[in-house]
Amino acid sequence: DTEVTQTPKHLVMGMTNKKSLKCEQHMGHRAMYWYKQKAKKPPELMFVYSYEKLSINESVPSRFSPECPNSSLLNLHLHALQPEDSALYLCASSQDPSGGTYNEQFFGPGTRLTVL
Amino acid sequence: AQKITQTQPGMFVQEKEAVTLDCTYDTSDPSYGLFWYKQPSSGEMIFLIYQGSYDQQNATEGRYSLNFQKARKSANLVISASQLGDSAMYFCAMIGERFSGAGSYQLTFGKGTKLSVIP
Repeated sequence: DTEVTQTPKHLVMGMTNKKSLKCEQHMGHRAMYWYKQKAKKPPELMFVYSYEKLSINESVPSRFSPECPNSSLLNLHLHALQPEDSALYLCASSQDPSGGTYNEQFFGPGTRLTVL
Repeated sequence: AQKITQTQPGMFVQEKEAVTLDCTYDTSDPSYGLFWYKQPSSGEMIFLIYQGSYDQQNATEGRYSLNFQKARKSANLVISASQLGDSAMYFCAMIGERFSGAGSYQLTFGKGTKLSVIP
């Protein structure tokens, strides 16, 4: 299984809502990533989990809260978002990142988020 | 700091012809990896090809090849025999040793090139 799955595919939420994005992989990868991508821009890294521990937080506002319950699952909890947070949210995973520079990241199909 | 430059915002190519997408990079890391990803309008980022900085030969994967010129710091993607399904956004990206200390890797992406294949 060489697939990263993400749910939901589309999400519309109000600024007062609480919602969660989910990501799952069964490739035995030990690193998982959240990216945010605005239209016609490259993906921007938000968070990295390595061995289920938060490794990188790219100064993301606290209204985004990541969670890694186990090595296969990654969640992104959303609360009190702003309209400018509307974007495509991509999840990715990769093998053990502890050595070498080859680190192919496998991406999921993304969740298109609209904040009203 | 690492930097990836893709100077072609958009490209057109006739179906069945070859096309080259440009990518130049800048890094002070002695060891690094270069990637190309394809992103169709559906949104998923699809890995195409990888080139390591110490690889002696240019990488090839089916219709994709990477023209790696280390001295010029360029890593251009060549797509042979273009197909309509090749219409997408293409991103060049790199990873360097510098970011391995945190136990994980950060991809630095270029701004992308939108390729349109004309029937």
